[in-house]
Amino acid sequence: GDSVTQMEGPVTLSEEAFLTINCTYTATGYPSLFWYVQYPGEGLQLLLKATKADDKGSNKGFEATYRKETTSFHLEKGSVQVSDSAVYFCALSDGDSNYQLIWGAGTKLIIKP
Amino acid sequence: GAGVSQSPRYKVAKRGQDVALRCDPISGHVSLFWYQQALGQGPEFLTYFQNEAQLDKSGLPSDRFFAERPEGSVSTLKIQRTQQEDSAVYLCASSSRDRDYTIYFGEGSWLTVV
Repeated sequence: GDSVTQMEGPVTLSEEAFLTINCTYTATGYPSLFWYVQYPGEGLQLLLKATKADDKGSNKGFEATYRKETTSFHLEKGSVQVSDSAVYFCALSDGDSNYQLIWGAGTKLIIKP
Repeated sequence: GAGVSQSPRYKVAKRGQDVALRCDPISGHVSLFWYQQALGQGPEFLTYFQNEAQLDKSGLPSDRFFAERPEGSVSTLKIQRTQQEDSAVYLCASSSRDRDYTIYFGEGSWLTVV
């Protein structure tokens, strides 16, 4: 079945460092891909999404490109801030049953000043 | 409303007590979902509604869990005879065709069973 694999955390970086959080997927159809973020004590917020190959999603300085050839959707940010500290979840929704999200395990990001 | 609204935000229940968690989806969203998220883990799917019809309840962990959406808008997740392993965050989400079916989440109801 469909699945999402993302890098284990925690990931600890200094402020202004470059961020990459890897996410790869397996899917039989043509999924849409998502990054959600969960700040401490809060619910999940959609960060960005891409619905087809080569699409780039971007928001708040974060970017991710839907790469069908490598089945990846890596999250990147050029210069992180302390306020980016959160748990980041990669997810997909399959075209056949797009009401249900398949989730990665989440990656905790810690940014030190 | 502007976003998915859930209540209560925090609930402490004694073991054996019944609880009811409410979700008010984004106005006009046809699809509504419930997820359970244990501490330090990703969300686990519980159930899905399209309007008032419950199309998938395969994720409900036991018959103590029951969800309804009688008028196709507000939904209630009910847990009967709560147990300690029910302690989790219960997330409600909604989506619609008009917004590419992207799923938007509420802030969650944090349930602690003592």
